[in-house]
Amino acid sequence: SQKIEQNSEALNIQEGKTATLTCNYTNYSPAYLQWYRQDPGRGPVFLLLIRENEKEKRKERLKVTFDTTLKQSLFHITASQPADSATYLCARSTGGGNKLTFGTGTQLKVEL
Amino acid sequence: EPEVTQTPSHQVTQMGQEVILRCVPISNHLYFYWYRQILGQKVEFLVSFYNNEISEKSEIFDDQFSVERPDGSNFTLKIRSTKLEDSAMYFCASRGDRGLYNEQFFGPGTRLTVL
Repeated sequence: SQKIEQNSEALNIQEGKTATLTCNYTNYSPAYLQWYRQDPGRGPVFLLLIRENEKEKRKERLKVTFDTTLKQSLFHITASQPADSATYLCARSTGGGNKLTFGTGTQLKVEL
Repeated sequence: EPEVTQTPSHQVTQMGQEVILRCVPISNHLYFYWYRQILGQKVEFLVSFYNNEISEKSEIFDDQFSVERPDGSNFTLKIRSTKLEDSAMYFCASRGDRGLYNEQFFGPGTRLTVL
């Protein structure tokens, strides 16, 4: 079956460091992947989208890479801040209605 | 900045009762969705809606569920006879028509508790 997987273990890093989160997919080749942020008790908020023909996408301190050989997307937050603490979700879109299929998310905690 | 709104923020109901969750999508958006998230689990797709009809639904979206866009602004999810396992956060989302794969905008969610 087609799967999209994220490391379910929480990631703790120090303020100022770069956080790197991983999204792996199996048994299919998505045309693109989306990354969302989710805070506790809130809805997901869109961050970045990367297409399969794009190696890298940047937005301010955020960077996403897409490696179709490894079937993996990496999400980086540089110069991390405590306010970056949240759960980060990767998602693929499929079907005529472009429903989103989310990974389990990785919880990031940035410590002072 | 336009946003998706949802009411109520928290709904408590007895098993077997009907509930209606309400959403107001972003005004010029054309695609509408409902997702749910059981506590501690991933966000799951329920249904997508376009041009006044369901375009796709998941296995979760059985005969107990229905959606409606009654007046061109509200988008509702009805659960006819709630079960304990329907307890979850329910998120409404909408999407514009700027391209095939553009992002979805999510509401703050309704926490449904079935007792």
